Amino acid sequence: AQSVSQHNHHVILSEAASLELGCNYSYGGTVNLFWYVQYPGQHLQLLLKYFSGDPLVKGIKGFEAEFIKSKFSFNLRKPSVQWSDTAEYFCAVKGNQAGTALIFGKGTTLSVSS
Amino acid sequence: DSGVTQTPKHLITATGQRVTLRCSPRSGDLSVYWYQQSLDQGLQFLIQYYNGEERAKGNILERFSAQQFPDLHSELNLSSLELGDSALYFCASSDRDQETQYFGPGTRLLVL
Repeated sequence: AQSVSQHNHHVILSEAASLELGCNYSYGGTVNLFWYVQYPGQHLQLLLKYFSGDPLVKGIKGFEAEFIKSKFSFNLRKPSVQWSDTAEYFCAVKGNQAGTALIFGKGTTLSVSS
Repeated sequence: DSGVTQTPKHLITATGQRVTLRCSPRSGDLSVYWYQQSLDQGLQFLIQYYNGEERAKGNILERFSAQQFPDLHSELNLSSLELGDSALYFCASSDRDQETQYFGPGTRLLVL
């Protein structure tokens, strides 16, 4: 079955700490991968995406993610978090054919204390 | 602001009722997607329309239906509402199937 697994439900960090959020997927075929962020009371915003090419992708606000095909993983990283990064983070996967749905993980809540 | 608009922002209704949620995609986007976000199920894909035609179907109940109009806006109709239908309903749009989806602000539905 197609699925996305986010390992951490809730992560608590202090400002300036490094962040890594795990994401593994189960999906047959070629995939497109995404990380979305949902700030409190707001809608989902795209952080970064991977379609093909360099497996290390850089997104907005200093975030990056690495696609490791052999591990079916797409972990999100940031070297130094800020209080404003407090939000919920969703990993998502989609097949690259027409008519395939975007499948989301359950999300990871990040709380950053100042 | 993603450019995707949704109305209303909030909706409170009673069990057994029917509601309609509206979504306007980003200018030029042909695809519209509907998602339901609840605490227990997370973000679930419901249905996709592309240029007026149904393109993909997810975990959408038979009590729910959707359509996309010639001006590309979409409506999600929820009928015979149950308490468990209380959730945040998001619309997203993209210009092609394989491209990035941009999400609207959502409609928060509360069924009492």
